[in-house]
Amino acid sequence: EAGVAQSPRYKIIEKRQSVAFWCNPISGHATLYWYQQILGQGPKLLIQFQNNGVVDDSQLPKDRFSAERLKGVDSTLKIQPAKLEDSAVYLCASSYTGTANTIYFGEGSWLTVV
Amino acid sequence: SQQGEEDPQALSIQEGENATMNCSYKTSINNLQWYRQNSGRGLVHLILIRSNEREKHSGRLRVTLDTSKKSSSLLITASRAADTASYFCATDDILTGGGNKLTFGTGTQLKVEL
Repeated sequence: EAGVAQSPRYKIIEKRQSVAFWCNPISGHATLYWYQQILGQGPKLLIQFQNNGVVDDSQLPKDRFSAERLKGVDSTLKIQPAKLEDSAVYLCASSYTGTANTIYFGEGSWLTVV
Repeated sequence: SQQGEEDPQALSIQEGENATMNCSYKTSINNLQWYRQNSGRGLVHLILIRSNEREKHSGRLRVTLDTSKKSSSLLITASRAADTASYFCATDDILTGGGNKLTFGTGTQLKVEL
């Protein structure tokens, strides 16, 4: 079974530029998550989708971050404009449903903002 | 915001020894999960313990949960060099309605030396 796929794996951009990350969840998983993990900290949930609807985006900085999950499969997370403090690993994850199921994580997209 | 706090922040042991990590949290939970993260990689789910369970085993892993003290421990027995990683606890809070919205702790860095 293929895991959660993410791209790009690494990205370096200048502040005020934009960046987009792509995620393909495990086939059949209805719930998709984007987490932000700053170096030395645990992951923080940015947004959770159930199929193509948003379940929770309370911690997403909506002035600069946006995410979509068209057709309830792939998802894209965009940052525009980027700030230095956005330097982090962006982890995509998926689960079969959104209730007490194992969450499977991708390898992450490493963002450095200079 | 970080929910759990792992203790210790870092742990170094010899191969074959047991490793114990503790996690404290603040709210009422549906379940608590432990994840492993190898350097530069995504998170891997290890074990889930529900709020009505006190102890759970999986291979060399033993997890305990004390909801009265709002704490959990992860024991890895007969550790191996391959167990070297960061370990995170994550809670699924009752207030989120069991929607698998996890709040991660700050992690324990385990190093197992040959």
